[in-house]
Amino acid sequence: EVQLLDSGGGLVQPGGSLRLSCAASGFTFSSYAMSWVRQAPGKGLEWVSTITDSGTSTYYADSVKGRFTISRDNSKNTLYLLMNSLRAEDTAVYYCARGRYCYGPWGQGTLVTVSS
Amino acid sequence: DIQMTQSPSSLSASVGDRVTITCQASQDISNYLNWYQQKPGKAPKVLIYDASNLETGVPSRFSGSGSGTDFTFTISSLQPEDIATYYCQQYDNLPPVTFGQGTKLEIK
Repeated sequence: EVQLLDSGGGLVQPGGSLRLSCAASGFTFSSYAMSWVRQAPGKGLEWVSTITDSGTSTYYADSVKGRFTISRDNSKNTLYLLMNSLRAEDTAVYYCARGRYCYGPWGQGTLVTVSS
Repeated sequence: DIQMTQSPSSLSASVGDRVTITCQASQDISNYLNWYQQKPGKAPKVLIYDASNLETGVPSRFSGSGSGTDFTFTISSLQPEDIATYYCQQYDNLPPVTFGQGTKLEIK
């Protein structure tokens, strides 16, 4: 069974950092691009970042460019999102998802709350 | 960036009804459009990819159509388990991928 398990969320102060992880199983992780999509409380979906299968190319939404870094470890079947200089508006559930243009499946999501 | 305008934002329908949601792109995106279903408290799930292709395992009452700038998502006969929020998503130009604002579907 294809499975993605998000982790690493929590409460962080404005300006702080957090690293999210997404553990993949049930498929050949190194063959797929991976993405992060977030959803602020009560709001819609917002694409955050995508990394190609080999990790050689990365893409970011303007709202996180320069603050967030997507990476992957294909030997560990794990996707990461390093989030620096966090702002209140980054508060959201963060989902990892398999795919570059079409997302499926998705992790269960991990909540990031940025507040003092 | 390509903007996706989805309508309606909310919809109430009866079991057995035909339900239609539309999504309009701010520029031509060919057929680079997907539809997702998100049930309360759950992660989204892809239902339709490339505008009209049904994802494996998704019931045939779900369908999609359109190309260019205008797209339609249809549930041919609404079931109680279809209560969810539905999103369109374009990928003509990465970055960024953009989603519609969502349509919350309720049972009347």
